Amino acid sequence: QSALTQPASVSGSPGQSITISCTGTSSDIGYYNYVSWYQQHPGKAPELMIYDVSHRPSGVSNRFSGSKSGNTASLTISGLQAEDEADYFCSSYTSSSTFVFGTGTKVTVL
Amino acid sequence: EVQLVESGGGLVKPGGSLRLSCAASGFTFSSYNMNWVRQAPGKGLEWVSSISSSSSFIYYADSVRGRFTISRDNAKNSVYLQMNSLRAEDTAVYYCAPRGEPSHWYFDLWGRGTLVTVSS
Repeated sequence: QSALTQPASVSGSPGQSITISCTGTSSDIGYYNYVSWYQQHPGKAPELMIYDVSHRPSGVSNRFSGSKSGNTASLTISGLQAEDEADYFCSSYTSSSTFVFGTGTKVTVL
Repeated sequence: EVQLVESGGGLVKPGGSLRLSCAASGFTFSSYNMNWVRQAPGKGLEWVSSISSSSSFIYYADSVRGRFTISRDNAKNSVYLQMNSLRAEDTAVYYCAPRGEPSHWYFDLWGRGTLVTVSS
């Protein structure tokens, strides 16, 4: 049950697009299309941004999009805004009927 | 209004025990798989355990298996986490997170969490 691998930090200027990668194995990301992404602001609970690889919950901006190729999933934030500055975590359901989270990525808006 | 309220956290010595509770309201608790997810200070999220709606299926992370026990009481709309043989590395905010059965593989509801500190 090793954590999924994410870059520690990603930054971009307002209006730019950034992409956060999330690398797992054939037992998690590569096994199911059950990848989700969470945004967490300091001192707050996580908030679901993407589920089932590329689906957005109602109320989440369409500037957030997700994709997957093989054992790697990605979250793209387009038109970066100051409010997007937060920590982001990926997660995947696994072949062992458990969940695994990513190491987390701090997004900084320059 | 959907609400999840975790409680039972606090300061405990290494080797000690603690029982966390999560009271749910605003949704059909008995239809949801319930999970505990924790976050050590300044660290990432870690899935801890899950229990199916009927308590038939229970799973644990390797890091807590044999020390933690998850349970639920559908009549009280509550889920519990009994934590024994606590270690310093169990220090974290513990969140309960429901998951809709049978086909929701994500967590769209979170409580505010309860802080567990394991220290002598």
